[in-house]
Amino acid sequence: KQEVTQIPAALSVPEGENLVLNCSFTDSAIYNLQWFRQDPGKGLTSLLLIQSSQREQTSGRLNASLDKSSGRSTLYIAASQPGDSATYLCAVMMGAQKLVFGQGTRLTINP
Amino acid sequence: GAGVSQSPSNKVTEKGKDVELRCDPISGHTALYWYRQSLGQGLEFLIYFQGNSAPDKSGLPSDRFSAERTGGSVSTLTIQRTQQEDSAVYLCASSLEAQGAYLISGNTIYFGEGSWLTVV
Repeated sequence: KQEVTQIPAALSVPEGENLVLNCSFTDSAIYNLQWFRQDPGKGLTSLLLIQSSQREQTSGRLNASLDKSSGRSTLYIAASQPGDSATYLCAVMMGAQKLVFGQGTRLTINP
Repeated sequence: GAGVSQSPSNKVTEKGKDVELRCDPISGHTALYWYRQSLGQGLEFLIYFQGNSAPDKSGLPSDRFSAERTGGSVSTLTIQRTQQEDSAVYLCASSLEAQGAYLISGNTIYFGEGSWLTVV
């Protein structure tokens, strides 16, 4: 059974810092890995999708890496801003289009 | 539509009543998913539709839960005889999908804002 773990569960940093969120998964037989953002009371917004054959994806200040063999992904956020405050969820796509989510990292960027 | 639309956004119901939650996916998306997020819990897969058929119903927690999709578009998740443990946010998502059983691994999944269900 696939299990996805995100560390840390919560993170609070001052504005401007670069930071890394971690995601690990137990079964490397994934189709892709996605990072989502969830704001309080809102749905999920997809940030980055890394296909199983890829090593990383970049979008603006965000960079996500994938090491499928070791079952790890990181989300790097550069020059953090208060607007980045949200819960960040990592999810892996298994067969039959099933996403397995981690519990999320609750990020707070302090002005 | 521009995004995945869900209704109602909030629903308070009495224990034992039936509820219906609706999802309108992004136009052209053939794959539709239902997830549940309970307070303090991660997201839990419920069911996936490819067109009008549901290849994977493994996540439905009990036979009180059912879902259907008609016309390859709108989907309804029905919870019969609601219980307090059914209280959660029910999230719908959609994505493009390949022909038949073949997966397009690069398809991004787009989520709606959820239906917040409270059973009292």
